[in-house]
Amino acid sequence: NAGVTQTPKFRILKIGQSMTLQCAQDMNHNYMYWYRQDPGMGLKLIYYSVGAGITDKGEVPNGYNVSRSTTEDFPLRLELAAPSQTSVYFCASQQGGENYGYTFGSGTRLTVV
Amino acid sequence: AQKITQTQPGMFVQEKEAVTLDCTYDTSDQSYGLFWYKQPSSGEMIFLIYQGSYDEQNATEGRYSLNFQKARKSANLVISASQLGDSAMYFCAMSSLQGAQKLVFGQGTRLTINP
Repeated sequence: NAGVTQTPKFRILKIGQSMTLQCAQDMNHNYMYWYRQDPGMGLKLIYYSVGAGITDKGEVPNGYNVSRSTTEDFPLRLELAAPSQTSVYFCASQQGGENYGYTFGSGTRLTVV
Repeated sequence: AQKITQTQPGMFVQEKEAVTLDCTYDTSDQSYGLFWYKQPSSGEMIFLIYQGSYDEQNATEGRYSLNFQKARKSANLVISASQLGDSAMYFCAMSSLQGAQKLVFGQGTRLTINP
């Protein structure tokens, strides 16, 4: 199984540009999450979804949007990129219920210049 | 709100020694989970061990064990017989067990194993 696939792996954006970070999972997991990791820090939750059509904000949602039209896909949209959004972005999925394990993607390293 | 505190920015240990990485937490939830993740220099997040708040026994996974002291709100990771490949960042995290299990992470501890 592929698990959680994130694309692209690296990206450089100019200030004010927009982009979509893609995330797909093939495990039929209900829960999906987007986290960001700033240098030398732990991960912080941006948005999450408990199922197709349902999304909610995490700790640091400003400047981002998400959608969940299918169980498999959970794209993260950056509008009007700012240098403060330079970070590594991780997507993760989880079955939920008694299964507490997360599956993380390999991350997207984004630099805004 | 939940909070994780890791007070050791860096740890240096000789190969084959045991090492304890500290983690304290704060939560008002009755039911919660505690996690440890390893992040090597390649950047991926590797799940190591999980402890539920209602588990009476400390969790163990191979060379990893979680020293869970509920009254002290601590969840320290113990790595026995450390190896050079254990050099990495280690993150403690927690989540509520109700609904979406959103993880809250500490700032991490960088562990370096010396030969």
